[in-house]
Amino acid sequence: EADIYQTPRYLVIGTGKKITLECSQTMGHDKMYWYQQDPGMELHLIHYSYGVNSTEKGDLSSESTVSRIRTEHFPLTLESARPSHTSQYLCASSELRTGNTIYFGEGSWLTVV
Amino acid sequence: GENVEQHPSTLSVQEGDSAVIKCTYSDSASNYFPWYKQELGKGPQLIIDIRSNVGEKKDQRIAVTLNKTAKHFSLHITETQPEDSAVYFCAARSGGGADGLTFGKGTHLIIQP
Repeated sequence: EADIYQTPRYLVIGTGKKITLECSQTMGHDKMYWYQQDPGMELHLIHYSYGVNSTEKGDLSSESTVSRIRTEHFPLTLESARPSHTSQYLCASSELRTGNTIYFGEGSWLTVV
Repeated sequence: GENVEQHPSTLSVQEGDSAVIKCTYSDSASNYFPWYKQELGKGPQLIIDIRSNVGEKKDQRIAVTLNKTAKHFSLHITETQPEDSAVYFCAARSGGGADGLTFGKGTHLIIQP
């Protein structure tokens, strides 16, 4: 069972607001990821991290930013939310070794009005 | 980069029958192929995975087969039950780059009572 937690689960905010989606894992995993998923669609990697102070852009361009100050914590921030940012954001983690299983959190549903 | 195609997009089967979902991938360097089940409002949950040095793997009613030559892999669910209804995603991971997963577009599996 994966121990990866995301908050908030659901969020409705106005255009132009700054938001931070929180993600924490208690498995001691070095690698963490953020995926974006529109309803009924595939997942796209937007950010990942190999460990503390490491952040990389994923395959899908995103206006969000991430930070990795602590191993267990990988927050995602949108400085100025727009309706086009409406989506589900999924946090995930895995051990550093290549080929290890990626575990997902329950997701954060963001709606920007 | 990697490209994963998944078929069908929707699959409806009678309870007790078998379901088969197929995926193809493009990058011959890909070496890890997980399958995830996603229920409504939840994050993807790993149900089975296979690595490139294995041709088949089985876990109770679920099996996955891999054909490296043809670059395709399939999920087989036997004796389907109502709780199998969900969206299933295949994924492939190659060794380089982000080391994250490239997902298929998903299959909505509907189990008819």
